Amino acid sequence: DAGVTQSPTHLIKTRGQQVTLRCSPKSGHDTVSWYQQALGQGPQFIFQYYEEEERQRGNFPDRFSGHQFPNYSSELNVNALLLGDSALYLCASSLGWTRSTDTQYFGPGTRLTVL
Amino acid sequence: SQQGEEDPQALSIQEGENATMNCSYKTSINNLQWYRQNSGRGLVHLILIRSNEREKHSGRLRVTLDTSKKSSSLLITASRAADTASYFCATIGGAQKLVFGQGTRLTINP
Repeated sequence: DAGVTQSPTHLIKTRGQQVTLRCSPKSGHDTVSWYQQALGQGPQFIFQYYEEEERQRGNFPDRFSGHQFPNYSSELNVNALLLGDSALYLCASSLGWTRSTDTQYFGPGTRLTVL
Repeated sequence: SQQGEEDPQALSIQEGENATMNCSYKTSINNLQWYRQNSGRGLVHLILIRSNEREKHSGRLRVTLDTSKKSSSLLITASRAADTASYFCATIGGAQKLVFGQGTRLTINP
């Protein structure tokens, strides 16, 4: 049973470019959440997708957008990259976005470097 | 913004000793979870404690929760070199939006 997978592992972009990160949830999970983790900090919630709709959003600008596909996989898109977007981007999957007692399972992350 | 703070920010102990990390949070919660992260990689879920629970055990891990003080602690007994990692507490106030602390960097010296 595959866990949460993310691609790519590492990515280097320059300021102003756009990037797309991908996530496949754990088998049986229908909810995908995205987090940004700056170096030395705890992860911060970006947004969450369930049934192909954004259900919750953290304090991130509209440059951050996402999508969820019918097979529950998800993409995170970041436009007009800034140096401050350099971070580890983590995807987490779970079952049922309103079930607050369930565990979220995290992928290995995508390390994004913006030059 | 972060929900709360972990204390200490860094902890270095000898193998075999016990490690205790503390977490404080600001708002009411449904549950609190502890995660481990090795070398900037993905987070591994360790344990979940519900708001109506006071203590929970899992192997060498013991978690306590004091909702009146809005604090939790994670105790790792008989530490091993493989326990070297960063440890984060995370709270959920409502639907599945985890709010993490800054983390404690734990180093186990052989």
